[in-house]
Amino acid sequence: NAGVTQTPKFQVLKTGQSMTLQCAQDMNHEYMSWYRQDPGMGLRLIHYSVGAGITDQGEVPNGYNVSRSTTEDFPLRLLSAAPSQTSVYFCASRDRNEQFFGPGTRLTVL
Amino acid sequence: QQQVKQSPQSLIVQKGGISIINCAYENTAFDYFPWYQQFPGKGPALLIAIRPDVSEKKEGRFTISFNKSAKQFSLHIMDSQPGDSATYFCAASGGSEKLVFGKGTKLTVNP
Repeated sequence: NAGVTQTPKFQVLKTGQSMTLQCAQDMNHEYMSWYRQDPGMGLRLIHYSVGAGITDQGEVPNGYNVSRSTTEDFPLRLLSAAPSQTSVYFCASRDRNEQFFGPGTRLTVL
Repeated sequence: QQQVKQSPQSLIVQKGGISIINCAYENTAFDYFPWYQQFPGKGPALLIAIRPDVSEKKEGRFTISFNKSAKQFSLHIMDSQPGDSATYFCAASGGSEKLVFGKGTKLTVNP
């Protein structure tokens, strides 16, 4: 039981490049979400999904896309990276109560 | 609109002391109040959680106090240890709604 896994752990992009942050969970949770963490800003919700085929926007969705084709996977896509997207990104999955976080991806956009 | 306000932003405590972190919420529909602990370079992990049918929950040295009428809840860490040094987040949710997080408190416990 690996829990929530994220790849890559670190990534450096140039402005305008695109990339996909991968997230997978093996707990059969319906609810998954993506957060970004910036100093002094706490955890801000980007997008979330309540099940396969269903996604919705969170607090800071601009510049990010998501899809949920399976229960296990919830990738986050940056279509055209900007320096403002430099952050640490956490994926999470949730049962009725507890939310489990992945180890994070540290992204730097130059 | 910040639905969960957390204070202080940072806290320094001596070993053996009591650490207290406070949170206030606005949405009366919230019925689940967890605290998360995050060590540097790691993802947040659930520490302890409470529902509003009780006023206090204790797990080891960690206690949540909950005041429904004031819409406030707090985390108390008794006999604080250097290993408790981490960032702590309070959060709240109602039903199946998404968790709303406070902005975090960086706790440093000096030896």
